[in-house]
Formats: sequence, C-alpha cells, structure tokens
Amino acid sequence: GAVVSQHPSRVICKSGTSVKIECRSLDFQATTMFWYRQFPKQSLMLMATSNEGSKATYEQGVEKDKFLINHASLTLSTLTVTSAHPEDSSFYICSAAEMALRNEKLFFGSGTQLSVL
Amino acid sequence: AQSVTQLGSHVSVSEGALVLLRCNYSSSVPPYLFWYVQYPNQGLQLLLKYTSAATLVKGINGFEAEFKKSETSFHLTKPSAHMSDAAEYFCAVNGQGAQKLVFGQGTRLTINP
Repeated sequence: GAVVSQHPSRVICKSGTSVKIECRSLDFQATTMFWYRQFPKQSLMLMATSNEGSKATYEQGVEKDKFLINHASLTLSTLTVTSAHPEDSSFYICSAAEMALRNEKLFFGSGTQLSVL
Repeated sequence: AQSVTQLGSHVSVSEGALVLLRCNYSSSVPPYLFWYVQYPNQGLQLLLKYTSAATLVKGINGFEAEFKKSETSFHLTKPSAHMSDAAEYFCAVNGQGAQKLVFGQGTRLTINP
C-alpha cells in the first residue's frame, strides 16, 4: 500500500531554535497533505492543510508564523516550528491524500515527537 | 459542523473476549466514517471505513463496524481479542473538506491475559 515517510521520528531541541519536519509520499503523488498535533493521551488536532504550490490553510487558533508549512512538490511537505518553546512539545503527524483514489483515502506518517527543552 | 464522540477513554477486556469500542457521530451531511489504530509512538493505520455503501464494514485484523443512522453510531467490534490488539483507537468523520478528518478523543484498549 501507499507509504508516507515522516522524518525525523524524534527531535530534541533547545528553546528558541527552529525545527523542520518532513513528510514524504514515497510511492504516490499527494496534492494535499495535512498536519496534525497530538498531545499526550489526547486526540489529533488538525493544524493545517497543505496544498502543493499554494499557501497552506491553517485552522483557527494555529499561528501561521510559528508553524511554517511548505508544499513545494507533489511528494514533499515540510512543517517548520519556528522559535520553539517548551509548550510546542508534542507529537506531530502528517497525512497525505493520494490523487488517484477517492478523496476519503488518507495515509499517515509515523509521527515526530518534538521535545523542546 | 461534524463531530465524533467516543464513549470510554479506556476499555479493558480479557484475551479472547469480545471487543466493543463505541463511537457516535454528528453530521449535517451523509458522513464518511473511519476507525484508525495507533500503536505507541507511531502514526495511524486505517482499520476500516464507511462510505455510504454496506452498513456493516469489515476491516483488517478481524475488526468490523456497523453504521447505524438511526442511532448515529459506528461502533467497532472484534469477536475475540488478541494481545496484539492493545493500542489506541480513534473514530473519525469527514470534516468540511473532502479529506479533512475530525477525530474522536480516542479509546485506549488494554488486553488482559
């Protein structure tokens, strides 16, 4: 089946630094990718929708200047957490929609655990 | 707006017993409904989905779910639990966009030997 690769799986950084997370669709083209955030023992909250070649659409309450999303190609979307702070520590998960299939088919990455010291 | 409510944040069953994870949805349009499983520190894996075809949906790993419009429910079941079923389970409904999903709070399934 379709595979979505997310990298890195775990990152620890100092407060004030920026962290980039990559989400790649390995064997299909994804016009749309989604970024979710998950706090411990909680559900996934959609942060933004990333469309190839255009600006991302952010959910209400998500700071677009803090969470920079780039979707430069049909197989890669990146999420950059700028000037990270401890409250940004969370599990970030991406998902990608395959063009050839019906819209309801999504594939998820394995997630990135971000810890900000 | 669409939403999903999972009843019970934690369910514990014995190995070999029936698994029942409850999910109720709210949707102003005919919903697409999904069940996902998440193992520790991993992403989500699709178990099954309902897309307006058969109301009884069979998924992977022996799981199935039944869409009941009158009850606005989409409960997940498995006749006989296995130790490997221990994980977090999420019910989800299509949001406003074609692929945007709205997730429930999740149910942690524990299997007792």
